[in-house]
Amino acid sequence: EAGVAQSPRYKIIEKRQSVAFWCNPISGHATLYWYQQILGQGPKLLIQFQNNGVVDDSQLPKDRFSAERLKGVDSTLKIQPAKLEDSAVYLCASSPSSGSGELFFGEGSRLTVL
Amino acid sequence: GQQLNQSPQSMFIQEGEDVSMNCTSSSIFNTWLWYKQDPGEGPVLLIALYKAGELTSNGRLTAQFGITRKDSFLNISASIPSDVGIYFCAGQLIEYGNKLVFGAGTILRVKS
Repeated sequence: EAGVAQSPRYKIIEKRQSVAFWCNPISGHATLYWYQQILGQGPKLLIQFQNNGVVDDSQLPKDRFSAERLKGVDSTLKIQPAKLEDSAVYLCASSPSSGSGELFFGEGSRLTVL
Repeated sequence: GQQLNQSPQSMFIQEGEDVSMNCTSSSIFNTWLWYKQDPGEGPVLLIALYKAGELTSNGRLTAQFGITRKDSFLNISASIPSDVGIYFCAGQLIEYGNKLVFGAGTILRVKS
């Protein structure tokens, strides 16, 4: 069974530039999450989708971050404009059911903002 | 509030030793989970606990869901070099829609 796919693995941008990350969850998983992991910290939830609807985006900085999951399968997370403090690993995870804590994570996309 | 306090922050142990780490909170959790993250990888689920007092094993790993529902611990017996990594506890609060909250992690380094 293929795991959660993410791209790009690494991205370096200047502050105020934009960046987009892509995630393809495990086939059949209805729930998709984006987490932000700053160095030395645990993952922090940015947004949770159930199919193509948003379940929780309470911690997403909506002035600069946006995410979509248009067809209920893959998802993109965008940051525009980026700030220095956005440097982190962006982890995508999926789960077969909403409400389960048993998540399957991708390898992450490491963002460095200069 | 929802914060999970994970300890120790890091540990450096001899191969073959047993390891203990724990997670505490002032909030009551309905689920406790333990994940491991290797360098450059995403976290991988090790053990999930669903009932207060539950004790669950996965090979050399044993985890328990505290009776008060505010804590959990993870033990690793007879550590080996591949146990190196960051161990995260995570909990779900039903009052917050089962949102998963992660601790800051315990970094485990093993001397061979």
